[in-house]
Amino acid sequence: DAEITQSPRHKITETGRQVTLACHQTWNHNNMFWYRQDLGHGLRLIHYSYGVQDTNKGEVSDGYSVSRSNTEDLPLTLESAASSQTSVYFCASSRATDTQYFGPGTRLTVL
Amino acid sequence: AQKVTQAQTEISVVEKEDVTLDCVYETRDTTYYLFWYKQPPSGELVFLIRRNSFDEQNEISGRYSWNFQKSTSSFNFTITASQVVDSAVYFCALRNRDDKIIFGKGTRLHILP
Repeated sequence: DAEITQSPRHKITETGRQVTLACHQTWNHNNMFWYRQDLGHGLRLIHYSYGVQDTNKGEVSDGYSVSRSNTEDLPLTLESAASSQTSVYFCASSRATDTQYFGPGTRLTVL
Repeated sequence: AQKVTQAQTEISVVEKEDVTLDCVYETRDTTYYLFWYKQPPSGELVFLIRRNSFDEQNEISGRYSWNFQKSTSSFNFTITASQVVDSAVYFCALRNRDDKIIFGKGTRLHILP
């Protein structure tokens, strides 16, 4: 069955380290998204991509980057992790104008 | 500005009661989509329904029903005969033509046995 996966599911890192969260989907969706979920803020868009080589900044993009080298993957990189980036991260994908389906989430703790 | 407001932060009801979750949205677009997602205690986000701006028909799916009213910019969600398994955080969301979704802050629903 087609699906969307995220890895790792849990990650603990230290301030200043580079961290990459993986997102992989097998639906062949053009659109992929990264969100973070924090208490009191709901889900907020970090970065998104409408296709290979396309990336765009979302509402809370500072300190994050993405790259899209193929249709299936959109890795999210924290260049220098900060405690404020402790959060739950969700990846999502969709066909154009269609429903977004979400991965299981990655819980990141920055100490 | 695009905005989704879920005024109810937390609701508790006794099992078998009906409960309505409110959602009010703001958008300047004439074409848009509204969604409800469920986030159970296990943490995943589960898609429940999508409604486009041109379809104001109410929808019923088992114990779930949705009431979309453009005149009041509302897209409310009702659970009939609630069950403990309905306990979750429910998110209402708005998507316009650029495919970005704006989420409300969610309503945490507790169904008490």
